[in-house]
Amino acid sequence: DAKTTQPPSMDCAEGRAANLPCNHSTISGNEYVYWYRQIHSQGPQYIIHGLKNNETNEMASLIITEDRKSSTLILPHATLRDTAVYYCIVINTSYGKLTFGQGTILTVHP
Amino acid sequence: SQTIHQWPATLVQPVGSPLSLECTVEGTSNPNLYWYRQAAGRGLQLLFYSVGIGQISSEVPQNLSASRPQDRQFILSSKKLLLSDSGFYLCACRRKVPNTEAFFGQGTRLTVV
Repeated sequence: DAKTTQPPSMDCAEGRAANLPCNHSTISGNEYVYWYRQIHSQGPQYIIHGLKNNETNEMASLIITEDRKSSTLILPHATLRDTAVYYCIVINTSYGKLTFGQGTILTVHP
Repeated sequence: SQTIHQWPATLVQPVGSPLSLECTVEGTSNPNLYWYRQAAGRGLQLLFYSVGIGQISSEVPQNLSASRPQDRQFILSSKKLLLSDSGFYLCACRRKVPNTEAFFGQGTRLTVV
């Protein structure tokens, strides 16, 4: 699986958009980009995923660059409840292995 | 959708004692199953994964072992716990189809004393 690189921490003001970057420069053609978040002492929660097109759901938007080497998760109106660790991972669906990096600690402040 | 049951939620065990954590899955069959450990303030470390009954891949050599005696049952074990085995243990499940997410249990907080 391709490795991902994320900033260790980010801050965001409540009500503003939170833009979380992820670098996956070694991604291959059949690998998907997935985003999860983990609130303290809970299991990770799925947010969104994509292959090459931008995606949007009720939680967030995912912007993937044309060369697919990086992506950005957008929380359009961050709330205090969005404070969590956000993980960007790349999954090769042909294999069973599923690995996570260190993630980004997002802190939303009033 | 898939549901993952993990128990217990918290566990305190003495050094040298055995361990058995169980994870069961509902809502799917023949999934990939995973055990992760998370030390305080750290990311998720993949310990074991399984693509089928009796098939276990170990990612990190350590004091732990895993078994998959049934399709939707994944067990994490240790014969003698070490202090360094303390952490938050998570079980996850993912169907073997493209374009699908993994689901996680709520975890077990293990403290070895």
